[in-house]
Amino acid sequence: GENVEQHPSTLSVQEGDSAVIKCTYSDSASNYFPWYKQELGKRPQLIIDIRSNVGEKKDQRIAVTLNKTAKHFSLHITETQPEDSAVYFCAASGGSGGSNYKLTFGKGTLLTVNP
Amino acid sequence: DAGVIQSPRHEVTEMGQEVTLRCKPISGHDYLFWYRQTMMRGLELLIYFNNNVPIDDSGMPEDRFSAKMPNASFSTLKIQPSEPRDSAVYFCASSLWGEDTEAFFGQGTRLTVV
Repeated sequence: GENVEQHPSTLSVQEGDSAVIKCTYSDSASNYFPWYKQELGKRPQLIIDIRSNVGEKKDQRIAVTLNKTAKHFSLHITETQPEDSAVYFCAASGGSGGSNYKLTFGKGTLLTVNP
Repeated sequence: DAGVIQSPRHEVTEMGQEVTLRCKPISGHDYLFWYRQTMMRGLELLIYFNNNVPIDDSGMPEDRFSAKMPNASFSTLKIQPSEPRDSAVYFCASSLWGEDTEAFFGQGTRLTVV
């Protein structure tokens, strides 16, 4: 089955700096890569996603890049703000093995933005 | 739509007791997922349904866990008997058809087994 590795597990930045979180996946057939943000005590919520036919996608201060050859994808947050502090999860789905709709999550990155 | 609704929000039970978690997906969604979240293991998919039919239950940890979806608007996850290591936050999520559509999560049930 799919295996998603996420790094770093914790990340601390100063307000205004950029933050980058990286993920790798194992199943070359995976074709959908969402990123979820989870604030303390809350539910995970989708912030951005990318499909395998696209190399990069941007939405205001956040962007995601995908390298299918290397099987890795990254989340970039620019001009970070304290409200960006949360746990971020990457995920992958659409792989082989029959369970195409199964989202496999990375272990998460705790991002702390210091004012 | 009010989103995915889970109940209860918190559950404290004694080891050996039966626990039932409930989920109401977003109306019209074809897929329903049950996840378990712990610090050690992160977000793990336990089981998912398509049009009320279980598709993949390979993540269900043991026979003590069972899930049902009797209709399109209701699903349960049951643990019988419960054990302290089952303590976690259990999330239900739903999505429309398609392998590249957003999964909407409920607020979760925080289960503590003492």
